Amino acid sequence: DVKVTQSSRYLVKRTGEKVFLECVQDMDHENMFWYRQDPGLGLRLIYFSYDVKMKEKGDIPEGYSVSREKKERFSLILESASTNQTSMYLCAIRTSENYNEQFFGPGTRLTVL
Amino acid sequence: QQQVKQSPQSLIVQKGGISIINCAYENTAFDYFPWYQQFPGKGPALLIAIRPDVSEKKEGRFTISFNKSAKQFSLHIMDSQPGDSATYFCAARDNYGQNFVFGPGTRLSVLP
Repeated sequence: DVKVTQSSRYLVKRTGEKVFLECVQDMDHENMFWYRQDPGLGLRLIYFSYDVKMKEKGDIPEGYSVSREKKERFSLILESASTNQTSMYLCAIRTSENYNEQFFGPGTRLTVL
Repeated sequence: QQQVKQSPQSLIVQKGGISIINCAYENTAFDYFPWYQQFPGKGPALLIAIRPDVSEKKEGRFTISFNKSAKQFSLHIMDSQPGDSATYFCAARDNYGQNFVFGPGTRLSVLP
């Protein structure tokens, strides 16, 4: 079974703080994604990565950056958190065996005060 | 053009009833249409998917109906059960970018 782990289920930060959200997969999958989920807006793609040290902007990259130094780990960084970044953040991977399916982690509920 | 529209926003159905969720798209380059199911506290999980060369796909109580000319597709849940209560997302993927575009979601509640 594909396993996607996110470092925190709930996180509370203050405006202006630097925030790191970690995503770890247990296999050697190349493709990893970060989404944010907001009511009425569905899932929106922030960044994705096809391999180590590679990153591509998604639909809403502003205010975020990512890091992928190792294949199994994909980090989402909020350089200076703002209240409008309060959201549910979901990490997903896509396997090379099944390009049609994304496997999601359980999500991190981030609140920025 | 990348948008996927989804309705209704929320749906309440009695146990044993039929749940219907509708989605529409504009981008004719979309070539794969999955539905994801998300329970509270969990990430979304693939439920069922369809390609535009077929008009219907059925897996157990779940059926996707696809209308290519109208650029619409829908999820039907037959004999809905309380355990089906979840949020459902339709999605679409184009054959260029290979990334998914998701609808806004439908929160389904099945009453016992």
